[in-house]
Amino acid sequence: SQQGEEDPQALSIQEGENATMNCSYKTSINNLQWYRQNSGRGLVHLILIRSNEREKHSGRLRVTLDTSKKSSSLLITASRAADTASYFCATDPLETDSWGKLQFGAGTQVVVTP
Amino acid sequence: EAQVTQNPRYLITVTGKKLTVTCSQNMNHEYMSWYRQDPGLGLRQIYYSMNVEVTDKGDVPEGYKVSRKEKRNFPLILESPSPNQTSLYFCASGLAEFPNTGELFFGEGSRLTVL
Repeated sequence: SQQGEEDPQALSIQEGENATMNCSYKTSINNLQWYRQNSGRGLVHLILIRSNEREKHSGRLRVTLDTSKKSSSLLITASRAADTASYFCATDPLETDSWGKLQFGAGTQVVVTP
Repeated sequence: EAQVTQNPRYLITVTGKKLTVTCSQNMNHEYMSWYRQDPGLGLRQIYYSMNVEVTDKGDVPEGYKVSRKEKRNFPLILESPSPNQTSLYFCASGLAEFPNTGELFFGEGSRLTVL
């Protein structure tokens, strides 16, 4: 079963603009991760935020986590054409018998036009 | 170079013909996992392994088998493939220290078509 749901499903922006996508999930988590996938290729890990953290930065990426709302957001600032990709959130369930069951959402497809 | 290697990358086969997709990692990771990716459904976990000789079912294990006889290898076996197993398959590995599943490293994917 899918734990996370990304919103929007697709996003089209111009270079230099910011891109924001959201992830909602259903059960309590240890951490939440964001990955990027370029057209049919393997996923690449971007950032991990733990359940006791509220915000994290990595270069042009900013991730927030609101565990009371069971939601996270990924902000990409000053987008570049090279940011064109699908972005997935993945949740690591808190339940100990679910250790190892990292679950992915359906993704947000981002297109950045020059 | 640290990597997860899957083979074959592309395969077209027929219903019922057993096949194995191999996965190997060179990062000494304890944890390995298989996912399938289908349009609109994201990645769904098939099986995972926390360590050698320890495997467990993910969300969609039906029709698949795995084995973990050595730390570096985690093959995915389709004993009798069916057309609904046509998909893009990913192998991943990571450190996964209890109770956290940390960052995963993914292979480039294996695109399987079952006719």
